[in-house]
Amino acid sequence: AQSVAQPEDQVNVAEGNPLTVKCTYSVSGNPYLFWYVQYPNRGLQFLLKYITGDNLVKGSYGFEAEFNKSQTSCHLKKPSALVSDSALYFCARGSARQLTFGSGTQLTVLP
Amino acid sequence: GAVVSQHPSRVICKSGTSVKIECRSLDFQATTMFWYRQFPKQSLMLMATSNEGSKATYEQGVEKDKFLINHASLTLSTLTVTSAHPEDSSFYICSARSTSGGARGDTQYFGPGTRLTVL
Repeated sequence: AQSVAQPEDQVNVAEGNPLTVKCTYSVSGNPYLFWYVQYPNRGLQFLLKYITGDNLVKGSYGFEAEFNKSQTSCHLKKPSALVSDSALYFCARGSARQLTFGSGTQLTVLP
Repeated sequence: GAVVSQHPSRVICKSGTSVKIECRSLDFQATTMFWYRQFPKQSLMLMATSNEGSKATYEQGVEKDKFLINHASLTLSTLTVTSAHPEDSSFYICSARSTSGGARGDTQYFGPGTRLTVL
């Protein structure tokens, strides 16, 4: 079965430093990969999606994702973290018809 | 663009009553809407997929008679939790897939969620 994994439950980073939230996927067909962010007691906000093509995909709010086929990864990155980026981040795999979510990574940006 | 709303945002009800949650796509038409359930500090669990004008498809383990889903139009899906019990307390999130082509048609857009508390 197609799946995604987020190996880190919690990531802490200092404000202004670059951040990375990791996601790996199982090798099965061409992966369509998505990143979403969830603030407390809110629904998910779409950040970006990777379908095919460039290995670096730019998304909303200054986020980007680096796709690496050999490592079966699609890590979320941002060059300079903001305190307001503190939230729960989910990667997901699939299509608009069906998404399989990772377990989520809580990002905390420290002032 | 691609805004999805949910109503109510929070609801508290007594055990045994029914609660209806609405999910609306505000600026696009959605032939397919999805209902998820999320427990604290956990990922989203897909409950069912609803297609406009047809019966919903429920995931394994989800009681269709308890979680009634109606998708009567291209912009509205409702989830009714019947005879609610405390164990139904959770955060319910809907999402919608656009019918338009291009980038928007390949993505699920999520509502803000509904916090249900059953006393």
